[in-house]
Amino acid sequence: EVQLVQSGAEVKKPGESLRISCKASGYTFTNYWIGWVRQMPGKSLEWMGIIYPGDSDTRYSAPFQGQVTISADKSISTAYLQWSSLKASDSAMYYCARQGVASSDPIYSWGQGTLVIVSS
Amino acid sequence: QSVLTQPPSASGTPGQRVTISCSGSSSNIGSNTVNWYQQFPGTAPKLLIYEINKRPSGVPDRFSGSKSGTSASLAISGLQSDDEADYYCTSWDHSLNVYVVFGGGTKLTVL
Repeated sequence: EVQLVQSGAEVKKPGESLRISCKASGYTFTNYWIGWVRQMPGKSLEWMGIIYPGDSDTRYSAPFQGQVTISADKSISTAYLQWSSLKASDSAMYYCARQGVASSDPIYSWGQGTLVIVSS
Repeated sequence: QSVLTQPPSASGTPGQRVTISCSGSSSNIGSNTVNWYQQFPGTAPKLLIYEINKRPSGVPDRFSGSKSGTSASLAISGLQSDDEADYYCTSWDHSLNVYVVFGGGTKLTVL
């Protein structure tokens, strides 16, 4: 069974850095695209980007390019989403999302979500 | 404002058939497949329909999908109270460097 277990909720101040994680299990981590989806309070879903852990090929959605960094450590089957300088507008729920073997495949599995609150 | 357009709400009574529409363009739905996700309050989304009309294991056949031109639809027959949730359509979009685009979501209420 595919499982994606995300790190816990975070409360940070504007300007601080943050890295959240997603530990994958139940499948061969290096063979599937994995990425992140943002959901702001009361809003729809936004696809942020994906990484192929096998070769670290990374794709970003235009609104998130340069704003976040997606990475993966295949030795521990974990994907990361990182900010170097948080803004209040980054406050949202972030879901880890595993797609298929192709980057255009749907999201087959989701993590439980990590709530990020950025407030002074 | 989402790239794919869905009605913000839909409703039906138990046993009824409801449909939720998703309108896009030639760069997304018109030239790519469509997936649908179901999300209950406070939980992660779940894949409901993929590649327009395929159901993952465990999804009842009461749920079905279709596509015509630049629009897609999700149909739910034999509506049940536990179908009350938010539903999102999504597709691949090659024109915006956004890759995956979502609809704004439709909140389904079972009356």
